[in-house]
Amino acid sequence: EIVLTQSPATLSLSPGERATLSCRASQSVSKYLAWYQQKPGQAPRLLIYDTSNRATGIPARFSGSGSGTDFTLTISSLEPEDFAVYYCQQRSKWPLTFGGGTKVEIK
Amino acid sequence: EVQLVESGGGLVQPGGSLRLSCVASGFTFSSYEMNWVRQAPGKGLEWVSYISSSGDTMSYPDSVKGRFTISRDNARNSLYLQMDSLTAEDTAVYFCARDLPSVSGPDAFDIWGQGTLVTVSS
Repeated sequence: EIVLTQSPATLSLSPGERATLSCRASQSVSKYLAWYQQKPGQAPRLLIYDTSNRATGIPARFSGSGSGTDFTLTISSLEPEDFAVYYCQQRSKWPLTFGGGTKVEIK
Repeated sequence: EVQLVESGGGLVQPGGSLRLSCVASGFTFSSYEMNWVRQAPGKGLEWVSYISSSGDTMSYPDSVKGRFTISRDNARNSLYLQMDSLTAEDTAVYFCARDLPSVSGPDAFDIWGQGTLVTVSS
């Protein structure tokens, strides 16, 4: 099973700041890494798929990069609605797995 | 509007069974691979099953293999999850989720339902 480790667990930032979230895989997932945003009481929302492709309707302030085992989600300038939990997920090998999540909270 | 609506959750005793349903609307259900993903209270996301668009290929993680069965009825635009031999560790919100369109095999999940809560307790 591919284990995805997200860091940090919590990121405390102010609106307007840049957020950098990390996801590290226990073995290569090639480019097959996605990012999701989840707010309390809501279903997750797909942000990025295959490392760097923004899903439909996702603002350009969200970007993804990386390859192999190390990936990054960047939010260039945090908006109030961006404070949430973010998960990475790999689709390279069965079983599909998620990271443990990074909570982006208001400082 | 593209939508997935789950139902069938509830309270069940340990060792019991439950069948979840997910009805799709707003898209051609038979063209998409589908999944179930769960989230235990206060915890992260866990993928629990996948089914191909035709229904002839399924996949599960070890945590549910042999106990959960995913199926679909394309004529009814419906996805199902039969859950047997339930334990307290299966307590979670269960989401159905659509794969992005792709040639074949698993993909990221672009549409999610609102979830249905399953509680396993005596």
